[in-house]
Amino acid sequence: ILNVEQSPQSLHVQEGDSTNFTCSFPSSNFYALHWYRWETAKSPEALFVMTLNGDEKKKGRISATLNTKEGYSYLYIKGSQPEDSATYLCASGSSNTGKLIFGQGTTLQVKP
Amino acid sequence: NAGVMQNPRHLVRRRGQEARLRCSPMKGHSHVYWYRQLPEEGLKFMVYLQKENIIDESGMPKERFSAEFPKEGPSILRIQQVVRGDSAAYFCASSPKSLGQGEAFFGQGTRLTVV
Repeated sequence: ILNVEQSPQSLHVQEGDSTNFTCSFPSSNFYALHWYRWETAKSPEALFVMTLNGDEKKKGRISATLNTKEGYSYLYIKGSQPEDSATYLCASGSSNTGKLIFGQGTTLQVKP
Repeated sequence: NAGVMQNPRHLVRRRGQEARLRCSPMKGHSHVYWYRQLPEEGLKFMVYLQKENIIDESGMPKERFSAEFPKEGPSILRIQQVVRGDSAAYFCASSPKSLGQGEAFFGQGTRLTVV
């Protein structure tokens, strides 16, 4: 059974602060690591799909890194804005199956 | 290109009734996934389907739950003889390739309440 763990569970920051979250996943049979952003009353939206050890991806102020050997990924948000407030989910897939196992998410609240 | 459409958005069923949840994937997507979110919990994988085939149903309860993705029409998640513990949000996602190769696009979910 895969266990994907995310920390912290929730985070409150001030506008302009930079922040980062951690996603831990089993490194055996790793295939892909996904990050999603889930705003209240909306659907989860993909941020990144990462497959290679050492991968770094960036989208605007948000970036992510991947370490498949030790089984972790970091998501960074630079200069948080109130519109960044959401739950950030990571999900790990092992082998080439459709089964993505999601973590519980990190809920970010950015205060103006 | 419309997104993933789920209906109904809210469904109330009495114990013992059947619940049918529909999911129309994005155009061109042949991979469909169903996830369940119980209160205060994360997204739990239920089933992965490609057109007319169940690829992985390891997350589906053994009884009362079934899923299909016919050649024509939406994917259907069916829950027979619902119980209060089935109350949850059910999310469907679709992708043009397997999730090892690309992202999933999610619908807005169906919130099932069993009374």
